Amino acid sequence: DTEVTQTPKHLVMGMTNKKSLKCEQHMGHRAMYWYKQKAKKPPELMFVYSYEKLSINESVPSRFSPECPNSSLLNLHLHALQPEDSALYLCASSPAGTSGSLGETQYFGPGTRLLVL
Amino acid sequence: AQSVAQPEDQVNVAEGNPLTVKCTYSVSGNPYLFWYVQYPNRGLQFLLKYITGDNLVKGSYGFEAEFNKSQTSFHLKKPSALVSDSALYFCAVRDMSSSASKIIFGSGTRLSIRP
Repeated sequence: DTEVTQTPKHLVMGMTNKKSLKCEQHMGHRAMYWYKQKAKKPPELMFVYSYEKLSINESVPSRFSPECPNSSLLNLHLHALQPEDSALYLCASSPAGTSGSLGETQYFGPGTRLLVL
Repeated sequence: AQSVAQPEDQVNVAEGNPLTVKCTYSVSGNPYLFWYVQYPNRGLQFLLKYITGDNLVKGSYGFEAEFNKSQTSFHLKKPSALVSDSALYFCAVRDMSSSASKIIFGSGTRLSIRP
């Protein structure tokens, strides 16, 4: 099973709202990722968790707050977003996510399409 | 710094014809290269990867890719295109400078197969 699930599929929120995106995998992977993707553009890495520890934060604004409660679950908490944050948010996982994991594959979820009004 | 380039924004092919989606890379050391496909309103699906070994890599849905070290290329190919192959294709390379398993994506190529 190479499935990564994401909820919700769609989300509309105002600039003062607080919401969360959820990602789950049951492949035993120890690395999980958040990406942001604008239309017709490649995904942009936001955060990487490896063994439940944040290993990469690509200078993402603090209105995005990741959380990794356990090795299967990854959340992205959203607060005071801007209209330009509207995008497809993709979650991915891979077996280890360490510097020695050179050729490992990342498996992506279907994404959450976020619209900020 | 590691990078990949996809020189074509769009590739148009008639159904039944062979298709090629181009990718060139720039890395220091041995490259770890990937191809992903994205259908409309969907996440990315892994197609294939090159780590080491045979230069011709076979992947999902009848796709294959040829690794060419002298030309620093990793072109995606399929002998006979299907209309259902129409999608956005991304080439990617492992970022060797990263402490985590980070990959760098190319800009993407939109493949359109006409019946």
